[in-house]
Amino acid sequence: QKEVEQNSGPLSVPEGAIASLNCTYSDRGSQSFFWYRQYSGKSPELIMFIYSNGDKEDGRFTAQLNKASQYVSLLIRDSQPSDSATYLCAGPTGGYNKLIFGAGTRLAVHP
Amino acid sequence: EADIYQTPRYLVIGTGKKITLECSQTMGHDKMYWYQQDPGMELHLIHYSYGVNSTEKGDLSSESTVSRIRTEHFPLTLESARPSHTSQYLCASSEGGLRGWGEQYFGPGTRLTVT
Repeated sequence: QKEVEQNSGPLSVPEGAIASLNCTYSDRGSQSFFWYRQYSGKSPELIMFIYSNGDKEDGRFTAQLNKASQYVSLLIRDSQPSDSATYLCAGPTGGYNKLIFGAGTRLAVHP
Repeated sequence: EADIYQTPRYLVIGTGKKITLECSQTMGHDKMYWYQQDPGMELHLIHYSYGVNSTEKGDLSSESTVSRIRTEHFPLTLESARPSHTSQYLCASSEGGLRGWGEQYFGPGTRLTVT
């Protein structure tokens, strides 16, 4: 089992809808997770960080961490065509010095 | 905007050549990383460094080597390039702390093609 798993998609949503991206992880001890966004042909950039159970909101983005079920999710409200990208979930590995990235979920927001 | 630079951005080179991919950051970050990513595929960590004179191999086996003589500089070297090395190479850096260790700033990448 991979340490961090994501559905590769593509996930297609209409403009204005809520996009829900999910990620599961295998290390029960992990407490911090990161969501990166990668536009086609570009480098990843951090968009959300979540530490401990619960929700964290930043603008149109909400990250959720459920330790009991070992999943992390990212909700994007009022999705825009500019949100079309690959979203990478990342968690700690080898102590809190390295990240392990999921394969990424490709999101397509259509007008 | 993150201040992390990679050169060259694109490189086409013949089999057997020695190449060095440059990565520099001006943020004073202790931690630096090299990732390999094929188009549409996963990011794989190939090398990382906690600070000057500290380097470790990552999760993906790589024939490349790295050095960290200065905080701001983390070059990656391939002694003898092969077509299997054709890929996108991404450099990143991060600082410490609860969030900082995972908040990695990525450079623009080097697209390497070995013919």
